[in-house]
Amino acid sequence: EVQLVESGGGLVQSGGSLRLSCAASGFIFSSYSMNWVRQAPGKGLEWVSYISSTGSTIYYADSVRGRFSISRDNAKKSLSLQMNSLRAEDTAVYYCARDTNFDFWGQGTLVTVSS
Amino acid sequence: QIVVTQEPSLTVSPGGTVTLTCASNTGAVTSSFYPNWFQQKPGQPPRALIYSTSNRHSWTPARFSGSLLGGKAALTVSGVQAEDEAEYYCLLYYGGAQVFGGGTRLTVL
Repeated sequence: EVQLVESGGGLVQSGGSLRLSCAASGFIFSSYSMNWVRQAPGKGLEWVSYISSTGSTIYYADSVRGRFSISRDNAKKSLSLQMNSLRAEDTAVYYCARDTNFDFWGQGTLVTVSS
Repeated sequence: QIVVTQEPSLTVSPGGTVTLTCASNTGAVTSSFYPNWFQQKPGQPPRALIYSTSNRHSWTPARFSGSLLGGKAALTVSGVQAEDEAEYYCLLYYGGAQVFGGGTRLTVL
């Protein structure tokens, strides 16, 4: 069974940093690209970042480029999102999602940035 | 700035058929945008329904179908059931960046 479990969310002050993790199981992690998607409270979905299966190709949404950094450890079956210079508008539930088809999603982890 | 537009809300009767659309401000949506569709119910993560325009996932009921219609991506739900009441999002690919539509709130009444 494919499982994605996010962790690392919490309350942080504006300008601070946070590192999110996504633990994968039930599939060959190193064979799949991964994404981060976020959802502000009561709002729609926003794609945040993509990383290819090997980590050689990375994309970011304009809203986070230069502040967020995606990475992966295929040996540990783990995806990460380093978030720096956080702003109030980064407050959201952050989901990791598998593959270019976004076929499987985790339950999400809440990040709250206080101003 | 890329903007992907969906109908904010639609209402359909049980057993009816409804089509949700997904438009891009950059022009006509084609298969090269690899349209994806997702369903989200309150308090749950999104669930993937359709990928690459018209392909169902193994768990997607046959009543959900994807297509291109009049320069837009479209999701048609035939024989709507009460459990289909949810928020629906499309996602378009722009050569690296991906952009979600604002979502369509589907009400079954």
